[in-house]
Formats: sequence, C-alpha cells, structure tokens
Amino acid sequence: KAGVTQTPRYLIKTRGQQVTLSCSPISGHRSVSWYQQTPGQGLQFLFEYFSETQRNKGNFPGRFSGRQFSNSRSEMNVSTLELGDSALYLCASSQPLARLGTDTQYFGPGTRLTVL
Amino acid sequence: SQQGEEDPQALSIQEGENATMNCSYKTSINNLQWYRQNSGRGLVHLILIRSNEREKHSGRLRVTLDTSKKSSSLLITASRAADTASYFCAPRRAGANNLFFGTGTRLTVIP
Repeated sequence: KAGVTQTPRYLIKTRGQQVTLSCSPISGHRSVSWYQQTPGQGLQFLFEYFSETQRNKGNFPGRFSGRQFSNSRSEMNVSTLELGDSALYLCASSQPLARLGTDTQYFGPGTRLTVL
Repeated sequence: SQQGEEDPQALSIQEGENATMNCSYKTSINNLQWYRQNSGRGLVHLILIRSNEREKHSGRLRVTLDTSKKSSSLLITASRAADTASYFCAPRRAGANNLFFGTGTRLTVIP
C-alpha cells in the first residue's frame, strides 16, 4: 500500500497570507490527524477528522482549520499567517478500531512551511 | 499531562553498541507507541505495545512497558549509523485518538 502523502512538501509564504495543505491517507484509512512541529513547542496535535467530521481538536487558534472529503483526503488551512506558524506540518492516518485510541497512526513526510 | 517524556534528551554511541531510551508518562494508558524521526522528516512508526504486554520485539528493537512505574524503554541492539534520528514515545489513553509527544531522544550513532 502507498503511504501517507502530503503536498506540497515545501512552501514559502509571507505574513498575512493564507495556506492550504493537503494530506492523502493510506488507502482504507478513514481517520486523519494533523500535527504541528516546531523547535520550541515540539510536536503538537492540531485536529483529527473521521468520516468528514472533526472529532477532536487541539489548542490552536481559529486561524487553523481543516476538513475531510468523502474519499478521506484531508486539507488544513491556516489564514492570516504569522511568523510563528513556520513549522513542519505532519498528518497521520489510521484505520480506527472498535475502541478509540487502539489503532496505529502512520505519518506522512510532512509539509515544511516557512513564513517570511 | 498525557505526553511522554523521553530520557535522555541526547545519546551518542559507537556503531555496534546498544542504545537504550526511556519514556515516562503520568496517566493510565491503553497503549504506547514509539516513533523515529530523521532530521526534519516525517515520523516512522516503530512499535506499539499494549498495556497488557510487558515486552515486544521487532527486529533489532526491544520495547518494554511497566505500567506500575508508568515507564517504557526502547532498546536498539547492534546500532548502525542509519539509526541516527530522534525517537519519540507516545502514550495513549483509551478513548483518546490523538498522540501526545515529548521532546524526544536525539540518538547519534558514530560510524
């Protein structure tokens, strides 16, 4: 099976702009989670989508949003970019099992966002 | 806090030696996962150990879990230069689908 893919791999934006990142999960996986990784804050959970619904959300401002399509592909959007949004954005997909929290999450290579 | 805390923060060893990394956590868990990250790249899933398991092996990897001490360890035997990476543990409660990561252990294997 192909792994989790993320596009684009690298992105440079300026402050105030908005950006959309895309994630295609492993075939058959219906859950997609997004994480932000920065040197200062480490890996932090953004949100999780399952069956086109946001199931869980981390502690990020409303400028960060996402959605999931019927084919399980997901996008995340960051509006009004700030310098501090420069980070590696990772998505992970999983095939949820009957009991939440028991599945394995597989990560994509990430999108490196630089805000100037 | 639900996240794992890895120890040590950095570890440098010679190729062929064994590397041991530790993870401590504070909440009751359903399982704990270990991931590897090469510099600036995505996380690679290494192993998942469930709360009712004490030890698990995968190739050169050996993971232990002690739920009474709320700790886990990852042992990499006969290390190789390609093992140079950051290693993260992610303990997870039942019902919590997202992962909480610590700051990781930076492993350097010197050829």
